[in-house]
Amino acid sequence: DAGVIQSPRHEVTEMGQEVTLRCKPISGHDYLFWYRQTMMRGLELLIYFNNNVPIDDSGMPEDRFSAKMPNASFSTLKIQPSEPRDSAVYFCASSLLSQGTSGNTIYFGEGSWLTVV
Amino acid sequence: GENVEQHPSTLSVQEGDSAVIKCTYSDSASNYFPWYKQELGKRPQLIIDIRSNVGEKKDQRIAVTLNKTAKHFSLHITETQPEDSAVYFCAASMGGGFKTIFGAGTRLFVKA
Repeated sequence: DAGVIQSPRHEVTEMGQEVTLRCKPISGHDYLFWYRQTMMRGLELLIYFNNNVPIDDSGMPEDRFSAKMPNASFSTLKIQPSEPRDSAVYFCASSLLSQGTSGNTIYFGEGSWLTVV
Repeated sequence: GENVEQHPSTLSVQEGDSAVIKCTYSDSASNYFPWYKQELGKRPQLIIDIRSNVGEKKDQRIAVTLNKTAKHFSLHITETQPEDSAVYFCAASMGGGFKTIFGAGTRLFVKA
């Protein structure tokens, strides 16, 4: 498997523009996570899905952020309008719930490096 | 909700020495504790994990310990090498697919 695939890898955009980040999870995984990483705040969980259904979006910073998962192999994170403080690395990750065990490894994508100027 | 605190934020050791990173968690229902290593410009990757029914786990030069009563767990790296230099994150989750919360990270420098 190619692992979690994210696009774009790097994006520079102007303040006020819409940004869409894309993610393809590992085939067969039933959980998908969006994390944001900054120097100041570390790795923050924004939202996660189970079987394409959003389970917890309490980490989404504001209404400018939205995420969707229309099917098992695709998810988007959208920021509209973008602001300079949104500059960060956005990681998509996926995992598979292992029956009969506690905990499941999260596999991260390479990240989308977003700069809003 | 779960809160994970990690110390120290920066750790510098001499090659060959040991390094210890400590984390505490707040939710007693958490039962799965993974550790991730993130090299500069790369993605976080799992290096070892421990489940709440185990007190210690070892894999070559790395080991993790868990004290459920005190709600803390630690990562131990022995015989450190320059390639161990990275940011290490601890995390806690209730497993079963519940959300995983990460500590703030420890930047480890191993000096040759």
